[in-house]
Amino acid sequence: AQSVTQLDSQVPVFEEAPVELRCNYSSSVSVYLFWYVQYPNQGLQLLLKYLSGSTLVKGINGFEAEFNKSQTSFHLRKPSVHISDTAEYFCAVSEDNYGQNFVFGPGTRLSVLP
Amino acid sequence: NAGVTQTPKFRILKIGQSMTLQCTQDMNHNYMYWYRQDPGMGLKLIYYSVGAGITDKGEVPNGYNVSRSTTEDFPLRLELAAPSQTSVYFCAAKFSLRQPQHFGDGTRLSIL
Repeated sequence: AQSVTQLDSQVPVFEEAPVELRCNYSSSVSVYLFWYVQYPNQGLQLLLKYLSGSTLVKGINGFEAEFNKSQTSFHLRKPSVHISDTAEYFCAVSEDNYGQNFVFGPGTRLSVLP
Repeated sequence: NAGVTQTPKFRILKIGQSMTLQCTQDMNHNYMYWYRQDPGMGLKLIYYSVGAGITDKGEVPNGYNVSRSTTEDFPLRLELAAPSQTSVYFCAAKFSLRQPQHFGDGTRLSIL
C-alpha cells in the first residue's frame, strides 16, 4: 500500500520569495500524483497532476511540480509567492492498479508574510 | 457548474443522535469518496464507492455507514454520534482511476 510524506508541516515565506513544498511517497507500483490546495473554510482544489509523460508539470496559479521516480518525490514549487497563496497544500498519490485508495499526505501550511 | 454538492454545511449534534450527511454529484462520475479531516491530520478515507450498488470501507469506517443506490448520490450516515466524530467531512468524486478527485465544500460537524 502506498503512503505519502510531507516533511514540512508549516512553511513561512516572505512575499515574492520562492518556495518549495516537499512530497515523498512509497509504492511498489506505478503511481499518479496530485497536488491540492485548500483555502480556509473551503474544499480542496486541484493544483496540478502527473499521470505520465514529462516529469515537470505546470499547474494553476504559477505552481509547478517535478516527478522524480528514483527519489520517489513530487515536490511543488513556485518562483515568487503572493499573500493569496497562503493556504494548506496536500500531496496525494493514486496507485495504478485496481485499488481505489487515493492517499493524501498530512498537508503543509504555507504562510506568506508581507 | 454544480460539481459535488454537500449538505448541510454546518451541524451540531448531541451525543447519541444520528444524522445523514448528503453528497450529490452531477458529473456522472462512477467513483465517490467520503473523507474526514481533523486538524493536522490530513484527510482520512472513511468509505468509497466504485459505482451504484458497490461500496467498500476505507481507513476509518467505524461508526459510519454509506449507501450508493444511484450514481449521483452517496450519503454518509452516523448512527450514534460520538465526540470523536467531530470533524470536517468531505465528499469527492472522480471519473476514472487516472483522474483527480473533485471535492465538495465540506460539512462541519460538531458533537457535544
